[in-house]
Amino acid sequence: NAGVTQTPKFRVLKTGQSMTLLCAQDMNHEYMYWYRQDPGMGLRLIHYSVGEGTTAKGEVPDGYNVSRLKKQNFLLGLESAAPSQTSVYFCASSYSGLNSPLHFGNGTRLTVT
Amino acid sequence: GDSVTQMEGPVTLSEEAFLTINCTYTATGYPSLFWYVQYPGEGLQLLLKATKADDKGSNKGFEATYRKETTSFHLEKGSVQVSDSAVYFCALSRSGSARQLTFGSGTQLTVLP
Repeated sequence: NAGVTQTPKFRVLKTGQSMTLLCAQDMNHEYMYWYRQDPGMGLRLIHYSVGEGTTAKGEVPDGYNVSRLKKQNFLLGLESAAPSQTSVYFCASSYSGLNSPLHFGNGTRLTVT
Repeated sequence: GDSVTQMEGPVTLSEEAFLTINCTYTATGYPSLFWYVQYPGEGLQLLLKATKADDKGSNKGFEATYRKETTSFHLEKGSVQVSDSAVYFCALSRSGSARQLTFGSGTQLTVLP
């Protein structure tokens, strides 16, 4: 039972490079989320999706784009990476949006130099 | 806006000691409250929750009571184990929706044998 799988686990980018983080869940969840985790700041929501083909902005969406072409996958893109995007990124999914527990992946540690 | 304040860590305890991690919140209305735990190298997972005032959430020996009068949701465990070493996050959702989850900054707990 894989749950939520994130790839890659680690990545180093130079400023201005682009990349895509992949999140896949096998629990048939409707809702999916991308968070970033920074020291002393907890988790902040970047973008989320309430179903296949839908996306919406969270608290800190600038510099990121997302797509949900298939229900099980949620992609996070950085078109032109900046050092301020150095962070640990977590994907999560939930069955519904109301008091439903979030299931998290193990994270992607991204460093932008 | 909504906010969650956790006691600063790190917290270091000996095995079988009593644990309290303080959490207070600011929000309008009656938010749902959560504790998530992050074990080393893993994503967060839901530990317990409470959705209305005076509710007590409990799981794996951990407990937290939703105190509306003091706007608090302190996490307690009577006898900690080495395997409880992790980062603990308090969170609230004003509507119960995961799209409106606000996380605290996390408290690192280390339990020594």
